[in-house]
Amino acid sequence: GESVGLHLPTLSVQEGDNSIINCAYSNSASDYFIWYKQESGKGPQFIIDIRSNMDKRQGQRVTVLLNKTVKHLSLQIAATQPGDSAVYFCAVARQGAQKLVFGQGTRLTINP
Amino acid sequence: GAVVSQHPSWVICKSGTSVKIECRSLDFQATTMFWYRQFPKQSLMLMATSNEGSKATYEQGVEKDKFLINHASLTLSTLTVTSAHPEDSSFYICSAIRGQQILSGQPQHFGDGTRLSIL
Repeated sequence: GESVGLHLPTLSVQEGDNSIINCAYSNSASDYFIWYKQESGKGPQFIIDIRSNMDKRQGQRVTVLLNKTVKHLSLQIAATQPGDSAVYFCAVARQGAQKLVFGQGTRLTINP
Repeated sequence: GAVVSQHPSWVICKSGTSVKIECRSLDFQATTMFWYRQFPKQSLMLMATSNEGSKATYEQGVEKDKFLINHASLTLSTLTVTSAHPEDSSFYICSAIRGQQILSGQPQHFGDGTRLSIL
């Protein structure tokens, strides 16, 4: 099966700084990776995804990096804002499967 | 686009009653929907995969007779927690994948969850 781990359960950064959230996965057959943001009392909100044929993908203020060699995934958020405070989950799916396996989440706190 | 609505958002009921939660894809059709459970400060745990027109596929350890899933149309799946007890209290979240053609590597779009409290 797949297990997904996160390096840090909490992360605190200053407003305006960049933040990096990391995720590790175990199954080399995983080929789809996705980051979600979950605010208190709400469902997860899609941020960005990446497939295994890529190693980097950029969105608005966010970048996802994929290192298949070490099975590591990261989410970079540039110029963090107070609205970025939330719990961030990485999720992984193996080839041909629809199911996502979620990591434990990192709570990002933005300090003013 | 890709809006998923859950109803109700919060329910409190007595032990022994059954509770139905609805999950609707508002602006797209969804052949596949998923039901998750989330305890406080924990991650999402998949309970079951709901497929339109067929029986749901339950994850190991999830009682299918306890958590009844019906996916009667391409925009609606329901989860019924039967004879609910305090240990069933949790945050239940559904998600849906856009489209009828099932492909791997598609994002799931989530509803805003239902907080269930059993007294």
